[in-house]
Amino acid sequence: GDSVTQMEGPVTLSEEAFLTINCTYTATGYPSLFWYVQYPGEGLQLLLKATKADDKGSNKGFEATYRKETTSFHLEKGSVQVSDSAVYFCALRGNEKLTFGTGTRLTIIP
Amino acid sequence: GAVVSQHPSRVICKSGTSVKIECRSLDFQATTMFWYRQFPKQSLMLMATSNEGSKATYEQGVEKDKFLINHASLTLSTLTVTSAHPEDSSFYICSARDGGRNNQPQHFGDGTRLSIL
Repeated sequence: GDSVTQMEGPVTLSEEAFLTINCTYTATGYPSLFWYVQYPGEGLQLLLKATKADDKGSNKGFEATYRKETTSFHLEKGSVQVSDSAVYFCALRGNEKLTFGTGTRLTIIP
Repeated sequence: GAVVSQHPSRVICKSGTSVKIECRSLDFQATTMFWYRQFPKQSLMLMATSNEGSKATYEQGVEKDKFLINHASLTLSTLTVTSAHPEDSSFYICSARDGGRNNQPQHFGDGTRLSIL
């Protein structure tokens, strides 16, 4: 079945540092890929997505590129801010269901 | 953008109580809604898929009689945790799909934290 493996946290960085959160997936067919962000006590918000190979999703300074050859969708940001502190989930959608990774807790220190 | 409202945001109740959680799509029609459960520091586990006007489809291992789902209209789905016990304490999140096609985005509610004493 479908699965998503993402970098275990927690990740702690200083403000303005470069961020990478790794995500790889296993799926049949051609899934869509997503990154969601969850702030404390809240539900999930879609951060970015990519629907086909080589697509790059971007939003709020975050980027991720759909790499079919390496089955990866790593999340990157060039300069993180304290307000980026949250839990980040990588996810894929095959037919109908979303399959989530375990989440990576990110803490940014001023 | 599309908004999904989930209510209540927090429930604390005694063991044996039944608890109903509502999930509403505020500005779009949702033929399909999803219910997830999230344990502390873990990912979201899909519990069931709710289709308007028909029975919900439950994931393996989820008790249908324990977690009753009703999707009576295109904007409302409810999850009732029947005779809740401490092990049912968790964060429950719903999502609603905007439109009938599988490639339409899902929009998530803010979740309900359920604590059973």
